[in-house]
Amino acid sequence: SQTIHQWPATLVQPVGSPLSLECTVEGTSNPNLYWYRQAAGRGLQLLFYSVGIGQISSEVPQNLSASRPQDRQFILSSKKLLLSDSGFYLCAWSPPGRDNEQFFGPGTRLTVL
Amino acid sequence: DQQVKQNSPSLSVQEGRISILNCDYTNSMFDYFLWYKKYPAEGPTFLISISSIKDKNEDGRFTVFLNKSAKHLSLHIVPSQPGDSAVYFCAASSAYSGAGSYQLTFGKGTKLSVIP
Repeated sequence: SQTIHQWPATLVQPVGSPLSLECTVEGTSNPNLYWYRQAAGRGLQLLFYSVGIGQISSEVPQNLSASRPQDRQFILSSKKLLLSDSGFYLCAWSPPGRDNEQFFGPGTRLTVL
Repeated sequence: DQQVKQNSPSLSVQEGRISILNCDYTNSMFDYFLWYKKYPAEGPTFLISISSIKDKNEDGRFTVFLNKSAKHLSLHIVPSQPGDSAVYFCAASSAYSGAGSYQLTFGKGTKLSVIP
């Protein structure tokens, strides 16, 4: 069966510090991978998606970036965090060719102070 | 511009009764709809989905209804149980939007509280 992991589970970072959140998927090959953010009082906003190694598409301009160095690894990064980057970050995957059904990881709660 | 709207931020229902969660959408290109359930500090879990070629899909206590002409869908939970208390997200996607087909557009969610 497939599983998706995210770490860390929680993170408190000062403004201006860098960020690296990691997501890995097990039990599947060539998944589509996604990063979402859920901010307070808002729905889930798609930030990035990837259909393969090194292939990243951005949905929302921001100071975040994403990378996919391996087939089942997706990383969300920032060089300098802003207060507005606080939120709940979710990684998701979908089987190739079945993008409609996405399966989410446990999430990372990021607080920028 | 919010393409998927869940106008009720919260809903309280007595245990054993029916819970009805509503969702409206504006993009007529959406052709696949999903409901996700989310507990605090956890990722959303897929609950049930419906394609636009159907108007109803049932899975145990959960039924989703789709009214394409009204651009409205609803999730019915019968009977409601305390364990159903969570935030429910409605999501929609389109197979015809090119690169956008990878994108699920989510509503803001409705917090359901089932009272014992």
